[in-house]
Amino acid sequence: DTEVTQTPKHLVMGMTNKKSLKCEQHMGHRAMYWYKQKAKKPPELMFVYSYEKLSINESVPSRFSPECPNSSLLNLHLHALQPEDSALYLCASSQVRTSGRANEQFFGPGTRLTVL
Amino acid sequence: AQKVTQAQTEISVVEKEDVTLDCVYETRDTTYYLFWYKQPPSGELVFLIRRNSFDEQNEISGRYSWNFQKSTSSFNFTITASQVVDSAVYFCALSDMEYGNKLVFGAGTILRVKS
Repeated sequence: DTEVTQTPKHLVMGMTNKKSLKCEQHMGHRAMYWYKQKAKKPPELMFVYSYEKLSINESVPSRFSPECPNSSLLNLHLHALQPEDSALYLCASSQVRTSGRANEQFFGPGTRLTVL
Repeated sequence: AQKVTQAQTEISVVEKEDVTLDCVYETRDTTYYLFWYKQPPSGELVFLIRRNSFDEQNEISGRYSWNFQKSTSSFNFTITASQVVDSAVYFCALSDMEYGNKLVFGAGTILRVKS
């Protein structure tokens, strides 16, 4: 199974709402990632989890709160977002980098988020 | 610092034409990895290939081929006999030792294949 799943596919929320994005993989990967992608732009890394611990936070505003409850699941909790946060949010997973070897990341289909 | 440049913003071809997507990278590390991803309109990034800096052999997979040249810091991607299903955004990406698991993406090239 080489699939990363994400729910929901689409999400519309107001600026005062609290919502969560979910990501799941069953490839045994111990590194998981959240990316944000605006239209016509490349993905921008937000967070990296390695062995269920946050290893990289790319100075993301605190209204985005990641969580990795176990090795298969990754959540992104959203609160008090702004309209400019509207984007495609992609989750990815990979084997953890060891001995200098960078492993390919496998991406989910993304959640299209609209903030009104 | 790391940088990936995909100078071609958009390419349009007619079905069955060959097309080459360019990728130029910058890194201070001697050990690094290069990747190509495809993003169709559905949005999911599809992994195509990974190459490490010590392996300059060109690779062919069906209609896809990759030309890695360290001398020019380039990792170009050629699609032979393009098909409409190849229409997508293609991203080149770099991962080096300095940034660990982080992928640095190029801006992407939009490929439109017309029937």
